[in-house]
Amino acid sequence: GESVGLHLPTLSVQEGDNSIINCAYSNSASDYFIWYKQESGKGPQFIIDIRSNMDKRQGQRVTVLLNKTVKHLSLQIAATQPGDSAVYFCAETYFGNEKLTFGTGTRLTIIP
Amino acid sequence: GAGVSQSPRYKVAKRGQDVALRCDPISGHVSLFWYQQALGQGPEFLTYFQNEAQLDKSGLPSDRFFAERPEGSVSTLKIQRTQQEDSAVYLCASSNRRNTGELFFGEGSRLTVL
Repeated sequence: GESVGLHLPTLSVQEGDNSIINCAYSNSASDYFIWYKQESGKGPQFIIDIRSNMDKRQGQRVTVLLNKTVKHLSLQIAATQPGDSAVYFCAETYFGNEKLTFGTGTRLTIIP
Repeated sequence: GAGVSQSPRYKVAKRGQDVALRCDPISGHVSLFWYQQALGQGPEFLTYFQNEAQLDKSGLPSDRFFAERPEGSVSTLKIQRTQQEDSAVYLCASSNRRNTGELFFGEGSRLTVL
């Protein structure tokens, strides 16, 4: 079946460097994408979202890029901090569908 | 508190027992979701409520799983005759808007079935 997946299960980044987390999706009907951060023992926390009519969206220290041609999105985190260490999930859905389909996640570790 | 509250945080059940997991959404949030998260995996959708109406239960894995939200606020996820494969974290989330990916998740209820 169609699914959302990630290229890299783990990523280690030096504190202060930028990090890029990638996600591939295969459901061509998806038009809305969301990134979540999940710290150990906690529920997922919304970071940023993007709809398919956009290629790029920026938040505070985060940027999401969407490439519909190759069905790929990425999350860029600038000037990483120890508090950025977590598992990051991309999720997809489409208009009218309240259900989110999550990927398997990437564990980001910030090295002091 | 102002967030989504779930109880119990941890539940150990013997195979065959029934369990009930409770979710208190953020006040005023009309949408409520249940997700199941296996160890090392992303959350998987179980069911969705709009107020008291259960609009989508396509993710419930079997008829042993039942969810309700009788007054449109607190919700309970019930699992009957628990099996080992039911072991997971059960996440509740709420939202104040439709067609949004910005869900507010609780910390989850970790169920271990022995």
